[in-house]
Formats: sequence, C-alpha cells, structure tokens
Amino acid sequence: DIVLTQSPGTLSLSPGERATLSCRASQSVDNRYVAWYKQTPGQAPTLLIYGASFRATGIPGRFSGSGSGTDFTLTISRLEPEDFAVYYCQQFGDSLTFGGGTKVEIK
Amino acid sequence: QVQLVQSAAEVKKPGASVRISCKTSDYTFTSYGISWLRQAPGQGLEWVGWIATYNYKTKYSENVQGRVTMTSDTSTSTVYMEVRSLRPDDTAVYYCARHHTYRGSSWLDSFDFWGQGTLVTVSS
Repeated sequence: DIVLTQSPGTLSLSPGERATLSCRASQSVDNRYVAWYKQTPGQAPTLLIYGASFRATGIPGRFSGSGSGTDFTLTISRLEPEDFAVYYCQQFGDSLTFGGGTKVEIK
Repeated sequence: QVQLVQSAAEVKKPGASVRISCKTSDYTFTSYGISWLRQAPGQGLEWVGWIATYNYKTKYSENVQGRVTMTSDTSTSTVYMEVRSLRPDDTAVYYCARHHTYRGSSWLDSFDFWGQGTLVTVSS
C-alpha cells in the first residue's frame, strides 16, 4: 500500500496567516486520486479538495490544492477561526490510504 | 441536502457482534457507492470496506476480511455493516461515507458526504 506522510504534525499559526500543509506519498500517485479533508473535534471529516486541485462544492476559495507525483500541498491562504482543525490527505490510486493528519492550531 | 444518519453508539464484549446502520436521504441511493471507515480514539482514518448500492458488490480491507459483512436495502436507502468476533482494537468511531463519483463502479474513490459517526466500544 502507498504510505502518505503528512508534515508538519502540528502547525501553529494566527488567524489571517497562510497555512501550507504537505502530503508526501511513498510512490507516485495520479493527481486524479488525491483528496484532502478537514476534521474538527467530534465531527466527521469534510471533503475539501478532490483530484488534487479541485475544490469540493461549497468550499471557500481560500483553500487550494496542488502537487503531482509524490508531493501534494494544501494551502489555506488566510486562516479563518473555523479553519483550525485537523487535515488529512487521501490517495486511492493504489488501494486506499490516508495520511496521519496535520493539526492546525491557534498560535 | 444529502444526509447520512447512523445508528446510536454500541458497547460490546470481546467476541460479540455489532450491526450499524446508515440511512441515506435526498439523493438517488443506487447512484453512489457507500464506504465504511473507522477512527480509533485519537488516531487517523482507516478504510474498512465498500458496497456498491446498485449491485451489492462488496470489497473489504484485509484488516477486517472475514469478520465484516456490508449489506444494503434499496427500499429504505439504508446500508448496514456487521462486524463479528469483536476485539478491543475494533474500538473506534465508525463512519459511513458516500462515494464522490456518480455511478462509480470502483471501491477506490473519495468521499463527499459522511454520516455523523457511531462509536463502537469493545471492552470486557
């Protein structure tokens, strides 16, 4: 199975700052098969990005996804209070696996 | 608005079985597959298995193969998952999630709508 490694484990930022989250795959993944999710405590995950760079329905424009091959990035251009959460990347190009998550916390 | 509503939390002893339901609404049930995923306390997400709601085809992860059965009832737009021979490491919040791809035929997909989660606790 493809292993996804997310970094950093925790990102401490202030509202209004830019967040850059990394997801590295143990082998190359087709862009079509990479997604990102947001999860707040006690809630189910929410789909943010699919196909590596396409925003899901209703997701604000401050969220963007990029990358190819083994390196993928989720960027939040200006953090809003509701963006402080845990973010997971997912691949389904070869089996189906998730990264370990990045927690974005208030500095 | 698409909704997936799961059954209530369960507490089971090791070796027992549990059946969780996921009732869907406000979309054509047979047009999207449903996967089950789980999240152990303080841990990340793990895919458990998939059912194709239009032909009942299933696929399970190796971690639960042989202990899990997924079924669906088109008349009530509900999907079920039974886990047998429960172990303490099955303790987790179990989520059902709708596949993103319209009329997709594969278990490989992303998930656009999720249930609220069902906590299953396995303890003696």
